[in-house]
Amino acid sequence: QKEVEQDPGPLSVPEGAIVSLNCTYSNSAFQYFMWYRQYSRKGPELLMYTYSSGNKEDGRFTAQVDKSSKYISLFIRDSQPSDSATYLCAPNEGYQKVTFGTGTKLQVIP
Amino acid sequence: GAGVSQTPSNKVTEKGKYVELRCDPISGHTALYWYRQSLGQGPEFLIYFQGTGAADDSGLPNDRFFAVRPEGSVSTLKIQRTERGDSAVYLCASSLTPTGAKYFGPGTRLTVL
Repeated sequence: QKEVEQDPGPLSVPEGAIVSLNCTYSNSAFQYFMWYRQYSRKGPELLMYTYSSGNKEDGRFTAQVDKSSKYISLFIRDSQPSDSATYLCAPNEGYQKVTFGTGTKLQVIP
Repeated sequence: GAGVSQTPSNKVTEKGKYVELRCDPISGHTALYWYRQSLGQGPEFLIYFQGTGAADDSGLPNDRFFAVRPEGSVSTLKIQRTERGDSAVYLCASSLTPTGAKYFGPGTRLTVL
């Protein structure tokens, strides 16, 4: 079993839809939870991070962590074509050595 | 520039050859990371530098891979006797501190024929 499992997609949604991206992990020591966004032929960029269970909101993005079930989610409200990218979840023990999921490719159709 | 830069952007080589990939981190960033990303996969950790020293090289797949950062700034990833399985995008990232946000470069796309 991989440490981090993520549905690779692709996921296609119409513009304006609410998007739900999910990951599961197996390592109980993970305590930092990050989401990265990667556009085609670019490096990943940090989108959101949280340290604890619960919700964290930033504009149209909400990160949700449930440590008891080892399940993390990223919600995107009012999705835009510019949100089309691959989203990588990265639950980790610390910031030094980040372990990534395989990524979910999202396409928002105008 | 303000971001992490990597050169070359693309490298095509033949099996058995030696290659060097360069990373210029953001000025002042003490931590530097190398990752490898194969098609359809997330980035895979290779090595992490704090200053000039390799703090964690547990991700290097074998002794054909080596990385240096002699002056605590620019880093070079060196691959000897390249194999077709080494084909991937090699990403570099830097952060101000080991626990700070990581900023990734655009990567070097390595193709081994």
